[in-house]
Amino acid sequence: DADVTQTPRNRITKTGKRIMLECSQTKGHDRMYWYRQDPGLGLRLIYYSFDVKDINKGEISDGYSVSRQAQAKFSLSLESAIPNQTALYFCATSDHDRGSTGELFFGEGSRLTVL
Amino acid sequence: AQSVAQPEDQVNVAEGNPLTVKCTYSVSGNPYLFWYVQYPNRGLQFLLKYITGDNLVKGSYGFEAEFNKSQTSFHLKKPSALVSDSALYFCAVRDTGTYKYIFGTGTRLKVLA
Repeated sequence: DADVTQTPRNRITKTGKRIMLECSQTKGHDRMYWYRQDPGLGLRLIYYSFDVKDINKGEISDGYSVSRQAQAKFSLSLESAIPNQTALYFCATSDHDRGSTGELFFGEGSRLTVL
Repeated sequence: AQSVAQPEDQVNVAEGNPLTVKCTYSVSGNPYLFWYVQYPNRGLQFLLKYITGDNLVKGSYGFEAEFNKSQTSFHLKKPSALVSDSALYFCAVRDTGTYKYIFGTGTRLKVLA
């Protein structure tokens, strides 16, 4: 089983619909992130969370919200989807305990298409 | 603000030849630098990182990267490219204040047989 699991992997929806992308991890990491990937723009940070009670906006949080239900779960919601939110979304985790190496571990991605 | 630049959208190299994928950065303080690779329909995979120590960092799949503080660069290199190295490569820097990771726009590497 993957260490970082995203569901759904693919979703097609219509403008105005509410969408939730879910992420769960078995790595035991405190820190979780949501990124979106667009061609030519790289990865841009939407939200990040350093523990269950700590949630922070990234550079492109408008139109998105998140929930950290537990250490292992971090979901991303689009309350009213619009076409320019069509993208590939990635969840990632990292460990910053003493002695950790600090790199990000990514899920396989959720491809969202908003018609 | 911290930033990362990957000046090449695509790099083509013949199989067996050395490859270089360029990355420059702008940070305040000491940089934490990373390289990731993305294969089609997959998530990003960690290749290597520079935190401190030797300027030449060795990573997965025979890749290495050279940290150059004076040129603020962290170029990814491999002595002999394989067709299977064809993928999208991302350079990233970790903001030392907020612990956010900032990514470059990516470079598509194409290794020609």
